[in-house]
Amino acid sequence: NAGVMQNPRHLVRRRGQEARLRCSPMKGHSHVYWYRQLPEEGLKFMVYLQKENIIDESGMPKERFSAEFPKEGPSILRIQQVVRGDSAAYFCASSPPGLAVHYEQYFGPGTRLTVT
Amino acid sequence: KNEVEQSPQNLTAQEGEFITINCSYSVGISALHWLQQHPGGGIVSLFMLSSGKKKHGRLIATINIQEKHSSLHITASHPRDSAVYICASNFGNEKLTFGTGTRLTIIP
Repeated sequence: NAGVMQNPRHLVRRRGQEARLRCSPMKGHSHVYWYRQLPEEGLKFMVYLQKENIIDESGMPKERFSAEFPKEGPSILRIQQVVRGDSAAYFCASSPPGLAVHYEQYFGPGTRLTVT
Repeated sequence: KNEVEQSPQNLTAQEGEFITINCSYSVGISALHWLQQHPGGGIVSLFMLSSGKKKHGRLIATINIQEKHSSLHITASHPRDSAVYICASNFGNEKLTFGTGTRLTIIP
């Protein structure tokens, strides 16, 4: 029973390139969350998705960032035209179907994005 | 404003000591989570609680809803407990709001 999987684990991009981060939730989980941890800072919520729906994107920067969780396949966090300030660890978490506030969230190992 | 505060920020203790990490939150919550972030960066969920007390091995988490306060205790601490401990809260919705973390170092 695999846990939450994220890939790649490390990603290096030059300024202006696109970054695509993938998250496969635990088997049977239908809720996906993305969080960002900037260097020497705490974790911050970015977006909450269910299959084919963005439920809450209040933590997403207004420009260059987008997320999806298609019917088939992993959830994708996409960052266009990356800048140095996007360098961070991006964590995905998942939880089972049902009322999400009642469930633990299970975290993936994170993707460490470095923008040069 | 939904806020979560932790103390202390850093804690160094000798192996075997009893450890307490505190977490306070600003308004009513659905649940309080305790997470452990390893030196390598991975995050593990330790507890989720909305009332009372939970125990898992040497770890104990308590919450006082009236005082808006939770504590994480580690008994018989060991160097492998060295990590960053993070409390987080659902403020009535699904997304977590995180404290800044407590960096715990246990010296052999």
